[in-house]
Amino acid sequence: KAGVTQTPRYLIKTRGQQVTLSCSPISGHRSVSWYQQTPGQGLQFLFEYFSETQRNKGNFPGRFSGRQFSNSRSEMNVSTLELGDSALYLCASRLTATTDTQYFGPGTRLTVL
Amino acid sequence: AQSVTQPDIHITVSEGASLELRCNYSYGATPYLFWYVQSPGQGLQLLLKYFSGDTLVQGIKGFEAEFKRSQSSFNLRKPSVHWSDAAEYFCAVGAFLSNFGNEKLTFGTGTRLTIIP
Repeated sequence: KAGVTQTPRYLIKTRGQQVTLSCSPISGHRSVSWYQQTPGQGLQFLFEYFSETQRNKGNFPGRFSGRQFSNSRSEMNVSTLELGDSALYLCASRLTATTDTQYFGPGTRLTVL
Repeated sequence: AQSVTQPDIHITVSEGASLELRCNYSYGATPYLFWYVQSPGQGLQLLLKYFSGDTLVQGIKGFEAEFKRSQSSFNLRKPSVHWSDAAEYFCAVGAFLSNFGNEKLTFGTGTRLTIIP
């Protein structure tokens, strides 16, 4: 079974632009979570989607948003990019939204210049 | 709110030596605990998890971890490390956020493991 895939793997943007990252969960998994990883803040939870609905949200500004499609694929969008948004963005999927193991993708490395 | 502390930022061990990575958590109820490993430029791979039951948990790649409620710890161990174990290791605690049962992971800051020949 294929793992979690994320596209693109690398992205370079400039301040003020917006960006969309994509995540395809493991087949059959219906829950997708997003995390931001930076050297300074470590791994931080962004949000989780289940059945096309955002179930939980971390402490990030409204510039960070996401959505989930009927096939469980998810996208996250960051508008008005700031230098501090440079990070590795990790997507994780799990079978349901109850207590289950999360499986992570390889991440998208976003660099904001 | 839950939290995880990994007191060792960087550990260096010789190949073939034993390894113990420390993890302390803070959570008001029975925690769900995980260890993940991340190689450079890669995502996180699950090594092992503890939900309930036997407090000694076996994982992949020869790793094990022991849950000690009295010490709020979930330390990761391996009897003999291999050069391929060089990576960053993250301890995480899962917490329910609502009756729906959703869970978010709170991660420690990670421990970077270096293996010397």
